[in-house]
Amino acid sequence: GQQLNQSPQSMFIQEGEDVSMNCTSSSIFNTWLWYKQDPGEGPVLLIALYKAGELTSNGRLTAQFGITRKDSFLNISASIPSDVGIYFCAGQLPGTASKLTFGTGTRLQVTL
Amino acid sequence: DSGVTQTPKHLITATGQRVTLRCSPRSGDLSVYWYQQSLDQGLQFLIQYYNGEERAKGNILERFSAQQFPDLHSELNLSSLELGDSALYFCASSVNTADGYTFGSGTRLTVV
Repeated sequence: GQQLNQSPQSMFIQEGEDVSMNCTSSSIFNTWLWYKQDPGEGPVLLIALYKAGELTSNGRLTAQFGITRKDSFLNISASIPSDVGIYFCAGQLPGTASKLTFGTGTRLQVTL
Repeated sequence: DSGVTQTPKHLITATGQRVTLRCSPRSGDLSVYWYQQSLDQGLQFLIQYYNGEERAKGNILERFSAQQFPDLHSELNLSSLELGDSALYFCASSVNTADGYTFGSGTRLTVV
């Protein structure tokens, strides 16, 4: 099946630092989304991107839909302890209706 | 509470057995998606139903099946269980758009 390569796999950062993670694919996607998963819970949508080049912010989070439509990044500024969790990118391939393909996740740990 | 209800929350069963996982979608959502998340893995798409009909299929094993009932709740049936089937199984629902996914809290299946 389609693969979304997400990096890094894990990050250990100090509170207050900025974080950047990205997602790449060999395929073109119509929509890119970023989710966060807390332990024992289902993923929760953070940001949705619909157009190539689109840059969208949600509080301390900023995400961009790559110009080639094959990649996306997520930045978190001034990290806080509650940012801990697993961040997933997800994309919708053309012609696949509403089915999403998920990346392998970036596990974020924030130390005080 | 996301509005998507999954039961049971935890399930422990022996190899060779059969289990049924249940999902009640968010009110008004017609699409239900099932995903499998193995340890330290991303979310693998299993199957999608829309208003009672199968809409898309992922890498779902032949031992697994699902259905969506007239009241829109869905069940995922896993049979002839193997140790490798141990995972978190998530249900998500949406009106029928990629950005409208709402995930349940998942069912953690442990096969012993």
